[in-house]
Amino acid sequence: DTGVSQDPRHKITKRGQNVTFRCDPISEHNRLYWYRQTLGQGPEFLTYFQNEAQLEKSRLLSDRFSAERPKGSFSTLEIQRTEQGDSAMYLCASSLISNEQFFGPGTRLTVL
Amino acid sequence: EDQVTQSPEALRLQEGESSSLNCSYTVSGLRGLFWYRQDPGKGPEFLFTLYSAGEEKEKERLKATLTKKESFLHITAPKPEDSATYLCAVESSGTYKYIFGTGTRLKVLA
Repeated sequence: DTGVSQDPRHKITKRGQNVTFRCDPISEHNRLYWYRQTLGQGPEFLTYFQNEAQLEKSRLLSDRFSAERPKGSFSTLEIQRTEQGDSAMYLCASSLISNEQFFGPGTRLTVL
Repeated sequence: EDQVTQSPEALRLQEGESSSLNCSYTVSGLRGLFWYRQDPGKGPEFLFTLYSAGEEKEKERLKATLTKKESFLHITAPKPEDSATYLCAVESSGTYKYIFGTGTRLKVLA
């Protein structure tokens, strides 16, 4: 257990529905990252927060994806109008300095 | 464009049979190279950070090394519990994101 928690651990939804995932980082970590991982691939960067500011966002991320980190603590990732191609493991990581990212257990999304 | 390539894709070893995993990278300015271990259905677990060519880090049966173009993860006398996917990632100057390779799936047979 790294101290990073994610909720829910599994989510099954129907195509077209909206889903929201939560990440609670290690309490003193000011940096928070979201990644997406599909089978047989490494994690793919989605977005980065430093405190409450979203400083970087992947160009691959469509307008259906949005992330927030109010008050610089927990973060949420929302996917609107889900598609079957969104099925993946969504990973959250946190760090105190710009290395040694600690990952949570992930949320596995299945879109039917 | 920053890129990370790992080889081999999969590796089967007998218990005690030492080997090395390779991570080749292309990056505009290396801020750090990272090795992670990932078990099925779990998030990656941090192993090492390397910052500059010539640097080495060790932890139990694992040793990571770095050159200007690649990194190696040496596994000495592996045990079945070392079976996992080993991921390499780089962070380049001017960005906050990690670029991950696709990983090497290691299976150690008893």
